Amino acid sequence: AQKITQTQPGMFVQEKEAVTLDCTYDTSDPSYGLFWYKQPSSGEMIFLIYQGSYDQQNATEGRYSLNFQKARKSANLVISASQLGDSAMYFCAMRGSLSGNTPLVFGKGTRLSVIA
Amino acid sequence: DTGVSQDPRHKITKRGQNVTFRCDPISEHNRLYWYRQTLGQGPEFLTYFQNEAQLEKSRLLSDRFSAERPKGSFSTLEIQRTEQGDSAMYLCASSFLGATTNEKLFFGSGTQLSVL
Repeated sequence: AQKITQTQPGMFVQEKEAVTLDCTYDTSDPSYGLFWYKQPSSGEMIFLIYQGSYDQQNATEGRYSLNFQKARKSANLVISASQLGDSAMYFCAMRGSLSGNTPLVFGKGTRLSVIA
Repeated sequence: DTGVSQDPRHKITKRGQNVTFRCDPISEHNRLYWYRQTLGQGPEFLTYFQNEAQLEKSRLLSDRFSAERPKGSFSTLEIQRTEQGDSAMYLCASSFLGATTNEKLFFGSGTQLSVL
């Protein structure tokens, strides 16, 4: 079974600054994928970034990067140059491959508030 | 195509009533997922379909819950004899199954259910 832990219920960041949202995971699967989703107040979950467990380099997507430390089982999201529109809930999620049909498992989320 | 759509956006019902939600996935996607999200929590997996076949159901899905995807396109989620504990956001997501671990889910905006 997979488990995701997000220990920061809420975070504040000044506009234009960088912020790191923490995520640790636990799995016995030899191969897995890690995801970050953003959920604004409208409710829709928006995919941000993906990291495969065997990827050699950390994933980047525009202002989002994933600090993947496999030995520590952590997959922290870094948002650079924060914008007011980044204020939202952020969820870390993972999917294993052992059974081939494991659903995406989410953490409890971190609420990010960007301050002008 | 405008993405995953869910109907209704909000539903208020009295305890003991039956409710049905609809999800229209992205047209070329063959997998469809239902998740439930309560306040302060991440989405929790309920069930998923590959085409019209329901492949997995969570233990969270009691006998009062039933989901269908009759022609492998839209899906319905029905809750019979609703209870106050059923109050939650019900999220639908779809994907096109490619490689296993990097399957990216596209979510709808959800149906917010309130049981009085």
